[in-house]
Amino acid sequence: GIQVEQSPPDLILQEGANSTLRCNFSDSVNNLQWFHQNPWGQLINLFYIPSGTKQNGRLSATTVATERYSLLYISSSQTTDSGVYFCAVDYGWTGGGADGLTFGKGTHLIIQP
Amino acid sequence: NAGVTQTPKFQVLKTGQSMTLQCAQDMNHNSMYWYRQDPGMGLRLIYYSASEGTTDKGEVPNGYNVSRLNKREFSLRLESAAPSQTSVYFCASSARRISNQPQHFGDGTRLSIL
Repeated sequence: GIQVEQSPPDLILQEGANSTLRCNFSDSVNNLQWFHQNPWGQLINLFYIPSGTKQNGRLSATTVATERYSLLYISSSQTTDSGVYFCAVDYGWTGGGADGLTFGKGTHLIIQP
Repeated sequence: NAGVTQTPKFQVLKTGQSMTLQCAQDMNHNSMYWYRQDPGMGLRLIYYSASEGTTDKGEVPNGYNVSRLNKREFSLRLESAAPSQTSVYFCASSARRISNQPQHFGDGTRLSIL
């Protein structure tokens, strides 16, 4: 099955710093999502980005499907950005095969004031 | 819109007890999913339902059963709870089967089995 590897596993930054989180996947995918899991355990959809680049405020994401990686950029970090960031992928609906997202193990981000 | 609603939010069970986790979505989505998240891990798929009336096993189905009650509701049942099933359970839905669409997640059910 698809393997999803995220790096770095842990990241500690000062408020105001910028960061880049990486997600590598092992096969071509039809769906890639980035999530933020906040300290209360809620999973927040950040981006649905099987290819291309998207931006939402201080966050942006780029997926290069042909090279099987995606990057999440966080600029001007705030303490509320702390939490775990997950990348999740799937093959896409085939009408007969397995369904659902395969998650990486996440990047644990701590933003210090 | 509430999105995906899970009940209960917290539950403590004794080994051998049974319970059903409930999930409902109000987005008219075709597909629904159950995942579990263990400490330090990403989520893993337990079961999914690609459309009303169908269910299929995911990566970790042992010890669980599911029911797609109607288009809105997808329940997960533990018939005889075991400590290894202590986890956080997430339900998700998507508009899949029309085109590839993102999944939307509920807030999770935190389940402890003693």
